[in-house]
Amino acid sequence: GAGVSQSPRYKVTKRGQDVALRCDPISGHVSLYWYRQALGQGPEFLTYFNYEAQQDKSGLPNDRFSAERPEGSISTLTIQRTEQRDSAMYRCASSPSKILAGGSNNEQFFGPGTRLTVL
Amino acid sequence: GENVEQHPSTLSVQEGDSAVIKCTYSDSASNYFPWYKQELGKRPQLIIDIRSNVGEKKDQRIAVTLNKTAKHFSLHITETQPEDSAVYFCAASRTPSGTYKYIFGTGTRLKVLA
Repeated sequence: GAGVSQSPRYKVTKRGQDVALRCDPISGHVSLYWYRQALGQGPEFLTYFNYEAQQDKSGLPNDRFSAERPEGSISTLTIQRTEQRDSAMYRCASSPSKILAGGSNNEQFFGPGTRLTVL
Repeated sequence: GENVEQHPSTLSVQEGDSAVIKCTYSDSASNYFPWYKQELGKRPQLIIDIRSNVGEKKDQRIAVTLNKTAKHFSLHITETQPEDSAVYFCAASRTPSGTYKYIFGTGTRLKVLA
């Protein structure tokens, strides 16, 4: 089936502009996560949702960053008044978060990411 | 705060040798530890995971060990092959249910020399 998708795959913007990054999770997945990954580094947690409820936004760097998942499916990460330091790969992940037979674990499936460059 | 340290940052081994990557976590409430492999230009993919009620888990050439008392867990790859070359990330979470964030380590770039 279709995996997690993100759009756009690449975004170049000028400093001060707003950007909106979209994530389409795997159909039916309950949990949706946003991470930021600098080159050569591990994914850094930003925020996550269970259904439409934002559970934790402690990783958002400042109030220019916000996220929503209004219908419990697609999510948008918005960065206002972008700065050069916002340049990074932004990755989305989703997890079914359902009770599975045999004590299996619910892994997070990652999307291809959006490479954001702020000039 | 929640933190995961990972060592080494780079690792080169000869094909056929073993590779070991170590992680230490700080959050005592962590009880689920996945490992992800990320090939160049690709998305991270889960290769193995372990829950805190298990000390070791093995899947063919890869194994993970966990020492909850010391808050250490390690990835072991035996009989390494060139296709094992990638960046490996450890992570820690408070639940295996998928409903809680992962805290990732900084990654280990593994190079398997033919």
